[in-house]
Order: sequence, then C-alpha cells, then structure tokens
Amino acid sequence: SYVLAQSPSMSVAPGRTARITCGGDDIGYKKVHWYQQKPGQAPMLVLYDDSDRPSGIPERFSGSKSETTATLTITRVEAGDEADYYCQVWHSLTDHVVFGGGTKLTVL
Amino acid sequence: EVQLVESGGGRVKPGESLRLSCKASGFTFNTYTMSWVRQAPGRGLEWVASISTSMSYIYYANSMKGRFAISRDNARNSLYLEINSLRAEDTSVYYCARVGQHPGIAVAGMDVWGQGTTVTVSS
Repeated sequence: SYVLAQSPSMSVAPGRTARITCGGDDIGYKKVHWYQQKPGQAPMLVLYDDSDRPSGIPERFSGSKSETTATLTITRVEAGDEADYYCQVWHSLTDHVVFGGGTKLTVL
Repeated sequence: EVQLVESGGGRVKPGESLRLSCKASGFTFNTYTMSWVRQAPGRGLEWVASISTSMSYIYYANSMKGRFAISRDNARNSLYLEINSLRAEDTSVYYCARVGQHPGIAVAGMDVWGQGTTVTVSS
C-alpha cells in the first residue's frame, strides 16, 4: 500500500519559518493536499493541488514539491498555527485516498 | 452557508450495527464526490470511503471492505455510512467531507468538513 511519511512532531519559535515535509514514492506526480487540525476541531484544508490556497488561508502558507517530497511552509509562524498538519493524495493505482501520519507543530 | 452536519453516532456494543448520516446544505450536493474519514482517539486521519456524484464509483479503504457501506441520497442532500459488526477498533470520530471538483473522482482535496460524529464501541 502507498505510504506518506511525515515527521511526528516539530517545534518552531514565533516569527520563524516552519517547513513540514511529506514523503512518498513518485509524490511528484500526484496532487498533494494539506490539512490543519486544531484540538477538538475538524480538519481544515489549507493547501490543495500542491500549492494553491483556499479562500481565507493566509499567504504565509505555501507549498512546494520535488519528485519524492512535498513541503508545507509556514512563514512568520504565529501561536494560532499550532496544530496537527496532514498531507493527503489520491493514489490512482489502488483508487485510495492516502493520508500522512500527521505532524504536530508546536509553537514555542 | 456551506455546511455538513453528521449524526447517528453513539455508544454501541461489539457486533452491533450503526448508520451514520451527513446532511449537506449551501451547495449543489449532487455535483460533488463525498467521503468519510475517521479518527481514532489520539490518532491520525484515516480515510474510510468515497462515493461519486451518481454512485457510479465507490471506493473503500482495504481495511473497511466488507463491513462498511457508503451511500448517498441526492434528493435528500444526504450521505450515509453503514457499519456492521462493530469492533472496539472502530471507535472513532467519523467525519464526512466534500471532495473538491476535479475530473478525477477523488483526486481533489476535501474542502468542506463536518464537525464529526463520535462512535464508541464498548461492551
């Protein structure tokens, strides 16, 4: 089965830049989506199709991708960005939605 | 306002069945693929199933095949998930989510989520 690998946790100081990675075979050929989930809340889409932002998502959130790794970058990190972040793709070979294991972002 | 509202969760005993519902409003329901995603306590997101607009395409996670059944009623703007022979490991918050529009059935991101309904399986 297809696996998306995320580091379980990372921490960053306010005002700095957080880079959250998501690794997967041939991820460069898939559309990657990113979700933010705060405690007790439903997930929220923050990036779709690798780097597009839904309405209302700040420009501080951006995305990039190489052949094997997708990256969610959050610049000028704020306390309110503290959350779990999940990457997700559609794996066409198996017709499955696949989520990464999630990265817990802590703002120091 | 675009909204998804789940219902039907609760505490059930192992072996029992449950039908979860998701009522959509504020958008043209029959033009969107819909999905169910679950999250066990303290765990990550786990995709359960997706269903295309006219139910022509239905996809399940491998671990969900057999006991889970996704369906929709476009006339009622509703999505359903039936779970049979419930097990303790099915204990989760179950979310319904709208899949963004894309030529591929479930390629797009999930751009609208409900608040979730909690299923607890315990004897």
